[in-house]
Amino acid sequence: GESVGLHLPTLSVQEGDNSIINCAYSNSASDYFIWYKQESGKGPQFIIDIRSNMDKRQGQRVTVLLNKTVKHLSLQIAATQPGDSAVYFCARLSMDSNYQLIWGAGTKLIIKP
Amino acid sequence: NAGVTQTPKFQVLKTGQSMTLQCAQDMNHEYMSWYRQDPGMGLRLIHYSVGAGITDQGEVPNGYNVSRSTTEDFPLRLLSAAPSQTSVYFCASSYSWGGGYTFGSGTRLTVV
Repeated sequence: GESVGLHLPTLSVQEGDNSIINCAYSNSASDYFIWYKQESGKGPQFIIDIRSNMDKRQGQRVTVLLNKTVKHLSLQIAATQPGDSAVYFCARLSMDSNYQLIWGAGTKLIIKP
Repeated sequence: NAGVTQTPKFQVLKTGQSMTLQCAQDMNHEYMSWYRQDPGMGLRLIHYSVGAGITDQGEVPNGYNVSRSTTEDFPLRLLSAAPSQTSVYFCASSYSWGGGYTFGSGTRLTVV
């Protein structure tokens, strides 16, 4: 079956450095990928999305890269700040999931001062 | 504009009890969903709705019922609570399937 999974459960990054969070997927029919940020005790918050016909999309301090050949996407956070500490999830939507979000397990980003 | 409001924030139930988790949104979103999140895990879809009067099962629907009588409200009912239903429950809404979902702040449920 299809799955969306993350490579590393925890990522520690020095404040000011760039962070790269990875996500792998197994289903080729995915139409749409979304990155969410979840701070402790809060609901997930939308960060950025990318459609399957794109390779790259940039937002404010964040970039998502999609490599359909190896079924991998990544979230890059530039100049990581203490406020970036959270768990980051990738999720996907596709017709075979009735366009409902299928979530990965999450990566916890820890910022070292 | 309150977004997605979930009540209660915390709840303790005894095994076998029933209860309803409330979810309301004021953004006129058609799409609403219920998820559960267990420790260290991603979210799993319980039930969802693509509009008033329309609901469907997600990945883990057993033990839960939903209804969507209005666009604004999407309550989740636990029929007979079990310890395996101890989790954090999130409600979310979106204007379309491809839109970024807005999440509520969650209900932390403990079944003893």
